[in-house]
Amino acid sequence: LAKTTQPISMDSYEGQEVNITCSHNNIATNDYITWYQQFPSQGPRFIIQGYKTKVTNEVASLFIPADRKSSTLSLPRVSLSDTAVYYCLVGDKGDSSYKLIFGSGTRLLVRP
Amino acid sequence: DTAVSQTPKYLVTQMGNDKSIKCEQNLGHDTMYWYKQDSKKFLKIMFSYNNKELIINETVPNRFSPKSPDKAHLNLHINSLELGDSAVYFCASSQEVRGHTEAFFGQGTRLTVV
Repeated sequence: LAKTTQPISMDSYEGQEVNITCSHNNIATNDYITWYQQFPSQGPRFIIQGYKTKVTNEVASLFIPADRKSSTLSLPRVSLSDTAVYYCLVGDKGDSSYKLIFGSGTRLLVRP
Repeated sequence: DTAVSQTPKYLVTQMGNDKSIKCEQNLGHDTMYWYKQDSKKFLKIMFSYNNKELIINETVPNRFSPKSPDKAHLNLHINSLELGDSAVYFCASSQEVRGHTEAFFGQGTRLTVV
């Protein structure tokens, strides 16, 4: 089974750049890496998705090395409203049912 | 317009009861999911349906039975509720399964079994 590993929590201050890394050693060849954000009492919300190298949108950047065994979500200039749990999602290599496994999540706290 | 809507938002019930949670998506997606989030905030997939066909069935007690009358609806029926079933249940939909293109989640149903 593919497993993802993320830091349990991170602290930052407003205006800083935050990088959250997820390890996924058994990622499937055709699978993408997706990051979600979850606020309390809400469902997860899509942030960004990528396959390799770098992807950037208006919210974040995603860096994926050539071996694709990890990925780093980069949030530029965070604000208090970025305080949330961030999940890394990948497919499950070697499993025909393609179980979609969320990481344990990283609880980001942005301080003033 | 809510993309993925679940009802009810809160559900408090006694052990042994049978309850259902309904989910509807108006995005035209082919794939729908049920996830369970426990008190420790771990999100675990329970089921996935693609065009009304079950494609992912995690190790879930058979007291849990998903039903998809059409591809816009995926309901979750739970028989003989137990204390350990207390959690937040999220419904989601997406257009692909492999690679899991952007999934849209409902607001969740907080189930409390007493």
